[in-house]
Amino acid sequence: QVQLVESGGGVVQPGRSLRLSCAASGFTFITYAMYWVRQAPGKGLEWVAVTSNDGSNKYYADSVKGRFTISRDNSKNTLYLQMNSLRPEDTAVYYCTRKEHDAFDIWGQGTMVTVSS
Amino acid sequence: QSALTQPASVSGSPGQSITISCTGTSSDVGSYNLVSWYQQHPGKAPKLMIYEVTKRPSGVSNRFSGSKSGNTASLTISGLQADDEADYFCCSYAGSSTWVFGGGTKLTVL
Repeated sequence: QVQLVESGGGVVQPGRSLRLSCAASGFTFITYAMYWVRQAPGKGLEWVAVTSNDGSNKYYADSVKGRFTISRDNSKNTLYLQMNSLRPEDTAVYYCTRKEHDAFDIWGQGTMVTVSS
Repeated sequence: QSALTQPASVSGSPGQSITISCTGTSSDVGSYNLVSWYQQHPGKAPKLMIYEVTKRPSGVSNRFSGSKSGNTASLTISGLQADDEADYFCCSYAGSSTWVFGGGTKLTVL
């Protein structure tokens, strides 16, 4: 079945780095733009980053621009988010999601990132 | 990239109808028919309920409907059921490959 499975979350000190992964299965990964969306505890959803289907175009929310890098390996059906210079306000559940019909139709279960000293 | 504005909470009794509003600006909701709505139960991932303002994905009940007027989009749930109790988020395309979500609305079924 169509599935996205995130991994790589954990507890990290401010200023350190973390890399999230999202393994896709059950669909033709290379044909879809892929996104990262996060949700701080008890808060709303926030769009973080997007990569086009072939990885040639990438866009970021102002809150993470210059610190986070989205990438993908279409040979491995995997999406990544490299997070550098982490801040306490980056603490959130990070979801990967697929865009279809200009909406996010498939979501992973999320991976928790906690930035704390 | 300011969040869209949603009421913090709404409530209704089983069988009733409720409407959740989502107010943006002329740069997002007002400019594009690319508003979507998501349902999220506690501890779960969001689920797509409405896309492109009014369209329902396969498998979503026709009790859910969407609309838009100017800078405000709305989600209506008719025939409220206990399982509809959840958080609901709107989302809009905001141009230049960016997207903006609403702050979320907690629906309580009384």
